[in-house]
Amino acid sequence: RKEVEQDPGPFNVPEGATVAFNCTYSNSASQSFFWYRQDCRKEPKLLMSVYSSGNEDGRFTAQLNRASQYISLLIRDSKLSDSATYLCVVNPPLSDKLIFGTGTRLQVFP
Amino acid sequence: EAGVAQSPRYKIIEKRQSVAFWCNPISGHATLYWYQQILGQGPKLLIQFQNNGVVDDSQLPKDRFSAERLKGVDSTLKIQPAKLEDSAVYLCASGHSGSDTGNEQFFGPGTRLTVL
Repeated sequence: RKEVEQDPGPFNVPEGATVAFNCTYSNSASQSFFWYRQDCRKEPKLLMSVYSSGNEDGRFTAQLNRASQYISLLIRDSKLSDSATYLCVVNPPLSDKLIFGTGTRLQVFP
Repeated sequence: EAGVAQSPRYKIIEKRQSVAFWCNPISGHATLYWYQQILGQGPKLLIQFQNNGVVDDSQLPKDRFSAERLKGVDSTLKIQPAKLEDSAVYLCASGHSGSDTGNEQFFGPGTRLTVL
């Protein structure tokens, strides 16, 4: 089983749609969780951290379900500029390193 | 604040040749990472430095890959000899160790390597 698993997509959605991505992780002792965004031919950048209580940043909501070992990202009112790859990232216990999923590609069309 | 710098941005070599990549992290960041990102995949950690010491190199193919960070600032990653399957983007990232912000890593633009 992969340490971090994501549906690679692509997800093709119209502007204004709501889209959700899920990600599962294998190590139940993992400490921290993140969503990174990567634009085509660019480097990954932190989108948001994921907290146990769930967190929201504008149109973006991230949630963590430790019991089922999955993380979700919800994007409301999609914009053309949201088109990118969204990487699910997990920090294993007792380590600074990050383990990345393969990413989920989102394409928002007019 | 200047970001993570990498060079070169692109490199094309033939298999069995050698290549080196350079990274300059964000000033003050003690931790430096090298990742390999193959097309269609997420970044995979190759090696992690804390200052000038290696923290984790378990995923580094040590028969052909080497990395150093002699003075705890800049770092170089070398491949010798290169194989076709080494074609990828090599990303350097830096961060604060034990940061309250949850070990966010800042990535450089990457070096796109093509091995022919």
